[in-house]
Amino acid sequence: GQNIDQPTEMTATEGAIVQINCTYQTSGFNGLFWYQQHAGEAPTFLSYNVLDGLEEKGRFSSFLSRSKGYSYLLLKELQMKDSASYLCAVRGGNDYKLSFGAGTTVTVRA
Amino acid sequence: DTAVSQTPKYLVTQMGNDKSIKCEQNLGHDTMYWYKQDSKKFLKIMFSYNNKELIINETVPNRFSPKSPDKAHLNLHINSLELGDSAVYFCASSQGGVGFSYEQYFGPGTRLTVT
Repeated sequence: GQNIDQPTEMTATEGAIVQINCTYQTSGFNGLFWYQQHAGEAPTFLSYNVLDGLEEKGRFSSFLSRSKGYSYLLLKELQMKDSASYLCAVRGGNDYKLSFGAGTTVTVRA
Repeated sequence: DTAVSQTPKYLVTQMGNDKSIKCEQNLGHDTMYWYKQDSKKFLKIMFSYNNKELIINETVPNRFSPKSPDKAHLNLHINSLELGDSAVYFCASSQGGVGFSYEQYFGPGTRLTVT
């Protein structure tokens, strides 16, 4: 089975940086995704990592260490609109299904 | 312009009824999915179709039956609804098969409430 852990909640100030950690234990590995989900809306794709290292996309970056079963999503220059739930999802090796963590709710305060 | 659409957006019904949720994508994707998101916000895969063929069938009650008339549509029919079926159901699609790295695009969700 898949086990994906991420913090439940985080709070940060507008303009600051927040790092959301995700640890996983899966049967095989074929990539890790980060999604953003605003309350009452659909998840939207943010980033994908399959090799170790950092992927940068504007204010958002995602890091992966396969040997440690660890990823983080870094949100820089936080804006109020970044208040949302951030979902870590791992694609396993045997069946390629996407397994999601419970999500981290980030609240950005003025 | 809607990429992945679902109907209805809200569905309130009584226990024991049968209901359907429809999903359509206009992205030209080969693979479609149904997910269930419960009150604790866990998003769990239920089914996946690739070019109208069922490729993922998770351990869900057989009261749930997906149907894919063509690769742009994936509907979900639920028989004998139970209180525990109350959740938000998301449809999603992606390019290529499940072995590819392509991201999934989600529909707006259908909030099902069983009373």
